[in-house]
Amino acid sequence: EAQLLQSGGGLVQPGGSLRLSCSASGFTYSSYAMSWIRQAAGKGLERISGFSIGGGSIYYADSVEGRFTISSDNSQNTLYLQMNSLRAEDTAVYYCARASGGYNSVAFDIWGQGTMVTVSS
Amino acid sequence: QSVLTQPPSVSGAPGQRVTISCTGSSSNIGAGSEVHWYQQLPGTAPKLLIYGNTKRPSGVPDRFSGTKSGTSASLAITGLQAEDEADYYCQSYHSSLSGSAFGGGTKLTVL
Repeated sequence: EAQLLQSGGGLVQPGGSLRLSCSASGFTYSSYAMSWIRQAAGKGLERISGFSIGGGSIYYADSVEGRFTISSDNSQNTLYLQMNSLRAEDTAVYYCARASGGYNSVAFDIWGQGTMVTVSS
Repeated sequence: QSVLTQPPSVSGAPGQRVTISCTGSSSNIGAGSEVHWYQQLPGTAPKLLIYGNTKRPSGVPDRFSGTKSGTSASLAITGLQAEDEADYYCQSYHSSLSGSAFGGGTKLTVL
């Protein structure tokens, strides 16, 4: 069974850093594009970063560009999100998700359980 | 402000049929991008409910169905059940974002 298991997260002060991890199992990790999606309390889903289908490019939402870095270790089947210069508005549940489909038909078919990031002094 | 517009809430009685709309533009749905739907039960991660406009992943009941026309799409739920009470999100590729966009979400209340 395809699964994504997340770790990391927690409470951090404004301006601090945090790294999230997402460990994949049950599928050929290197064959899929992966993304990070977050959800602030009571709000909707926001895709903040991801690899393109085919791996040719990386996407960052304007809200995190220059502060967050997505990376992947295919030998460990693990996706990472390095978050620097954190702000109060980054407080959210963060999900990793597997992307399936072509460039204009991508769907997120497997999701991690989510991890809470709280930015507060 | 999402590029995909959903009603904030819909409601229905058990056994009834409800629909949730997702309105886009010529930069996403109208450009031929497929629409996908997710169900998020309280306190849980989203789950893919409909993909490729109309397809159901294995295990999703046929009470859930999707349609697409022009720049809009809809999710229909028939035979409403209490366990269908959740938030529902549409998602599609948006050209100027170079990737996926989500609708703002719709809260379904089963009366």
